[in-house]
Amino acid sequence: SAVISQKPSRDICQRGTSLTIQCQVDSQVTMMFWYRQQPGQSLTLIATANQGSEATYESGFVIDKFPISRPNLTFSTLTVSNMSPEDSSIYLCSVAGFGQPQHFGDGTRLSIL
Amino acid sequence: QKEVEQDPGPLSVPEGAIVSLNCTYSNSAFQYFMWYRQYSRKGPELLMYTYSSGNKEDGRFTAQVDKSSKYISLFIRDSQPSDSATYLCAMTSDSSYKLIFGSGTRLLVRP
Repeated sequence: SAVISQKPSRDICQRGTSLTIQCQVDSQVTMMFWYRQQPGQSLTLIATANQGSEATYESGFVIDKFPISRPNLTFSTLTVSNMSPEDSSIYLCSVAGFGQPQHFGDGTRLSIL
Repeated sequence: QKEVEQDPGPLSVPEGAIVSLNCTYSNSAFQYFMWYRQYSRKGPELLMYTYSSGNKEDGRFTAQVDKSSKYISLFIRDSQPSDSATYLCAMTSDSSYKLIFGSGTRLLVRP
């Protein structure tokens, strides 16, 4: 399966600031996704990153808060904007080929002070 | 009611035991079923991937899907301390799209 690298692996940020998380894959993939895993909870899909067009957001997530880019088939970024303590979470990138199951990176552990 | 229900555990077993992990779901449109293993400070790692009903075996792991009962299981034979992790079930109606996850079961295998 593809090797998925996320940067940064962890960060501590001040409230009101923004952080951009990068997801790099070692091969071209059809689908890229961003999930959130809040402390002690399971994973929730934030959005599907579409190459060359606007991301598709799930209910409860908006572009102004979580802008996403996907300039090519191996790279995507998720920005967490105007952060508050409620945004403290693990943010995970996943990838899939067409008709294939999703594989995950190791995530970015984000704490907001 | 959550779409996918999973007992959070923790489940503690002695080394060598057979482990049974389970999820129930409510959406009959789910066709693809997955089990992921997540170690502390790591991302979910795909263990098993099955389509529709039936059994699938891979080494010490067996996945079962019963769509009529909306019930899936993961069995681990000859459990090892290295199997200690959180196990997440996930499912979707479209093979490459939005996964709905269970809350995860913490498993501890005691030496």
